[in-house]
Amino acid sequence: EIVLTQSPATLSLSPGERATLSCRASQSVSSYLAWYQQKPGQAPRLLIYDASNRATGIPARFSGSGSGTDFTLTISSLEPEDFAVYYCQQRSNWLGVTFGPGTKVDIK
Amino acid sequence: QVQLVQSGAEVKKPGASVKVSCKASGYTFTSYGISWVRQAPGQGLEWMGWISAYNGNTNYAQKLQGRVTMTTDTSTSTAYMELRSLRSDDTAVYYCARDVATEPVATNYFDYWGQGTLVTVSS
Repeated sequence: EIVLTQSPATLSLSPGERATLSCRASQSVSSYLAWYQQKPGQAPRLLIYDASNRATGIPARFSGSGSGTDFTLTISSLEPEDFAVYYCQQRSNWLGVTFGPGTKVDIK
Repeated sequence: QVQLVQSGAEVKKPGASVKVSCKASGYTFTSYGISWVRQAPGQGLEWMGWISAYNGNTNYAQKLQGRVTMTTDTSTSTAYMELRSLRSDDTAVYYCARDVATEPVATNYFDYWGQGTLVTVSS
């Protein structure tokens, strides 16, 4: 099973600041990585797939980069609605789809 | 609009089984695979497996092999997930989620999600 590690566990920022979230895979997942946003009591929302492609309707302030084992989700300027938990997810092979443990972005 | 509507909360005793439904609307049901993902209270997300709504093929997470069965009823556009021999650590919110791409491609990225079904396992 491919293990995903996310850092930091919590990111405390103010609205308007830039958020940089990291996801590292235990082995290469090529570009088969997605990012999701989850707010309390809600289902996850797909933001980015294949490492850098924004999903339908996702604002341009969200961007993804990376390949192999190291990936980054960047939120260029935090809006009030962006404070949430963010998960990365890999789908590189049929041995299993796995999610990272999440990064919580909270208001400083 | 695409919607996945799941069945209501369940309370089960250890050793029992639970079957959660996920009724799809707003798209051609057989064109997209469905995955099931669960989330224990205060914890992260765990993929449970995938089913093709096109031909019924399945792929289950190794950890759950032998305890989980995923099925579909194309006549009602509904997917089902049954989990047997329930334990306390199966207590979680269970989500169905639609694959991003149309069959036969299975991307295992999920663009539409059900509202979640809380399954509580307690004696």
